[in-house]
Order: sequence, then C-alpha cells, then structure tokens
Amino acid sequence: AQSVTQPDIHITVSEGASLELRCNYSYGATPYLFWYVQSPGQGLQLLLKYFSGDTLVQGIKGFEAEFKRSQSSFNLRKPSVHWSDAAEYFCAVGAAGGGNKLTFGTGTQLKVEL
Amino acid sequence: DGGITQSPKYLFRKEGQNVTLSCEQNLNHDAMYWYRQDPGQGLRLIYYSQIVNDFQKGDIAEGYSVSREKKESFPLTVTSAQKNPTAFYLCASSIMAGGRHEQYFGPGTRLTVT
Repeated sequence: AQSVTQPDIHITVSEGASLELRCNYSYGATPYLFWYVQSPGQGLQLLLKYFSGDTLVQGIKGFEAEFKRSQSSFNLRKPSVHWSDAAEYFCAVGAAGGGNKLTFGTGTQLKVEL
Repeated sequence: DGGITQSPKYLFRKEGQNVTLSCEQNLNHDAMYWYRQDPGQGLRLIYYSQIVNDFQKGDIAEGYSVSREKKESFPLTVTSAQKNPTAFYLCASSIMAGGRHEQYFGPGTRLTVT
C-alpha cells in the first residue's frame, strides 16, 4: 500500500522568502502525485500534479514541485511567499488501477510573517 | 458554474442520532469520495463510489453508510455507531477513465455531536 510522509507539521517563513515543503512517498511502481492547499474551514484546492514526463511541474499561484524518484520525494517550492499563501498544504499519492483513490499526508501548516 | 456542493456547512446533532451529509456534483464525474479530516491526521477515506449503485469501503468505514442512486449525488450517513463523529467531512469527485485523475473537493461540512 502507498503512503505519504510530510515531516514538517508547521513551517513559518517571512513574506518574500523562499519556501520548500517536503513530501516523501512510498509506492512500488511509478506513482502519481499531487499537492493540495486548504484555507481554514474550506475544501482542498489542487495546486499541481505529476503523472509522468518532466519531473519539474508548474502549478497555480506560482508554485512548482520536483519529482525525484531516487529520493522518493515530491517537494513543493515557491521562490517568494506572499502573506496570502498561509494555509495548510497536503501532499497525496495515487496508485494506477487503485480506483483512483488517493492517500494523503498529514499536512504542513504554513505561517507567513509580515 | 460546475462544482461540488456540500450542505449544510455546519451541523449539530445530539449523541445517538443518525445524521446525513449531502454531497452533489455537476461535473459529470463518475467517481465520488467521502473523507474525514481531524486535526493532525490529514484526510482519511470513508467510502468511495466509482459508478452508480456501487460503492466500496475506505479505511475508516465503520459507523458510516452511503448510497449512490444518482451519478450526481453521494450522501453520507453518520450513524449512532460511530464512536467519535465530530469532525470535518469532505466530499470529492473525479473522472475515472484512464485511472489517474485528480480529485475535486467540496467546501466541507463540520459536524459537531454533543
């Protein structure tokens, strides 16, 4: 069975600083991977996805993520954080043929200091 | 405007009562999902359905029931057998064809049982 680890529960960055949120996955074959963002009391919004091909994927709101098979990682990055980026971020992994089910990490809460 | 609606946004019930959470989508998606979200635990899959009149248990199905009589609707009933029903419940949907697709989320329902 697949699993996802987000090792950082909370991260605080200053506005304008760069951001990297870590995600490690466990899956025997080639996974498909997602990053979602959740504002308090809201549903999840898809930031970006990786299925195959180019290992650096671009998403919405200036986010990007890089798939590294050798490290089983799919870290989310943003060069310059805005105060509106404060939210909770979830990494998820899906398995081909698994009924399109996703397994989510426990999330990373991002705080942005002005 | 296509999307997923969940109602109500807040729901309060007394212990021992069954309660049904609504989820409707007009995206023409085949698959629908119910998740439970608790602080620090990410999203856990309760039930999912890939086609009308069929559904499967997820990781934490005990104390919950669902139906899928229409493609657009996937209501979740939280029964009195669910020991800790207070949580944030999220509904999602996705395309099924090809087997690797992102899930789209509704805004969620916060259930409080006292």
